[in-house]
Amino acid sequence: EAGVTQFPSHSVIEKGQTVTLRCDPISGHDNLYWYRRVMGKEIKFLLHFVKESKQDESGMPNNRFLAERTGGTYSTLKVQPAELEDSGVYFCASSPYNEQFFGPGTRLTVL
Amino acid sequence: DAKTTQPPSMDCAEGRAANLPCNHSTISGNEYVYWYRQIHSQGPQYIIHGLKNNETNEMASLIITEDRKSSTLILPHATLRDTAVYYCIVRLNAGGTSYGKLTFGQGTILTVHP
Repeated sequence: EAGVTQFPSHSVIEKGQTVTLRCDPISGHDNLYWYRRVMGKEIKFLLHFVKESKQDESGMPNNRFLAERTGGTYSTLKVQPAELEDSGVYFCASSPYNEQFFGPGTRLTVL
Repeated sequence: DAKTTQPPSMDCAEGRAANLPCNHSTISGNEYVYWYRQIHSQGPQYIIHGLKNNETNEMASLIITEDRKSSTLILPHATLRDTAVYYCIVRLNAGGTSYGKLTFGQGTILTVHP
């Protein structure tokens, strides 16, 4: 069974540019989560989808971040415009119920 | 979700049992104890979870005290590949109440040496 996949694995962009991260959850998992770890900090929750609906987006830092999950399958996280403090590793996780299965993450560097 | 306290680091010899403690004195009655680990640069990996009974799976054992204020994750025969950051997390489970996000703390850096 394929695990959670994330694309790209690395992204380097200039401040002010736009970046879109993609997450493909494990097939059949209704729950999808986004987390991120910025340099030297703990892993922080961003938001939680149940199918295509946002269950909890309390961790989204500001309105430069937009997450979508059209059709309840894959999800995208767009950062527009990117700022230096957005650099970090963005993790996606999916879950059928309680256990969360994480992807390998996308390392985002904003210069 | 209740806050957890873990030692920042621990060492263990390869082949020996690794016992990782966690305090969660403010845990509520319907909150579960979860353990995840993150091996260098990879995504966090689920290990085990429990409510009040001790649990065991192919990876580890979880011992929860009777008052549920603390727990211990046991890796029975640690290997070099078990070197990772281990996170103890308390959260509500699905089913009737809110569930979802995991709140990660600093975790315990476990180093398994030859």
